[in-house]
Amino acid sequence: DAGVTQSPTHLIKTRGQHVTLRCSPISGHKSVSWYQQVLGQGPQFIFQYYEKEERGRGNFPDRFSARQFPNYSSELNVNALLLGDSALYLCASSLTGSGEKLFFGSGTQLSVL
Amino acid sequence: GENVEQHPSTLSVQEGDSAVIKCTYSDSASNYFPWYKQELGKRPQLIIDIRSNVGEKKDQRIAVTLNKTAKHFSLHITETQPEDSAVYFCAAVSPWGNEKLTFGTGTRLTIIP
Repeated sequence: DAGVTQSPTHLIKTRGQHVTLRCSPISGHKSVSWYQQVLGQGPQFIFQYYEKEERGRGNFPDRFSARQFPNYSSELNVNALLLGDSALYLCASSLTGSGEKLFFGSGTQLSVL
Repeated sequence: GENVEQHPSTLSVQEGDSAVIKCTYSDSASNYFPWYKQELGKRPQLIIDIRSNVGEKKDQRIAVTLNKTAKHFSLHITETQPEDSAVYFCAAVSPWGNEKLTFGTGTRLTIIP
């Protein structure tokens, strides 16, 4: 079985640009969550989508948005990039959407110059 | 919101010895506590988890204990091996209907051969 897949693996952008990150959950999983991991810290919750509806949002500005598609894949969009947005962006999927048995992808390493 | 503190930030143990990592949480309603292992450049991997109605859970060399009264939980690794070297994160989930994991700041475990 394929795990959670994310693309691209690495991305370099400049300040003010926008970026779209993509995630495909484990087959059968209907919940997708996004996390930001800054070097040396634990992941921080950004969004959760379950059955294509936003179920939770973390403490991130409106520059961050996401959506989930009918096939349960998801996109994370970040507008007006800042240097501080440089981080590893992790996608995770689960069967129940309750936070239990969350499986992470390998992430997209975003560098903002 | 939930706050999770994790100690120590770094830990070095001789191969074969035991390692213990401790976490405390603030929200008494939190009911699920997973532990993730993250090797350098790789995805966080779920290694063990515990629900609030259980005091202890063991899986081979890994065990987790939970003290709901004191609001702390610990990871115990026995007979450590070089491949146990990684960063370990604890997390807590509140039962508010979404999949928000609040992570600790991580413990870098180094196994000395």
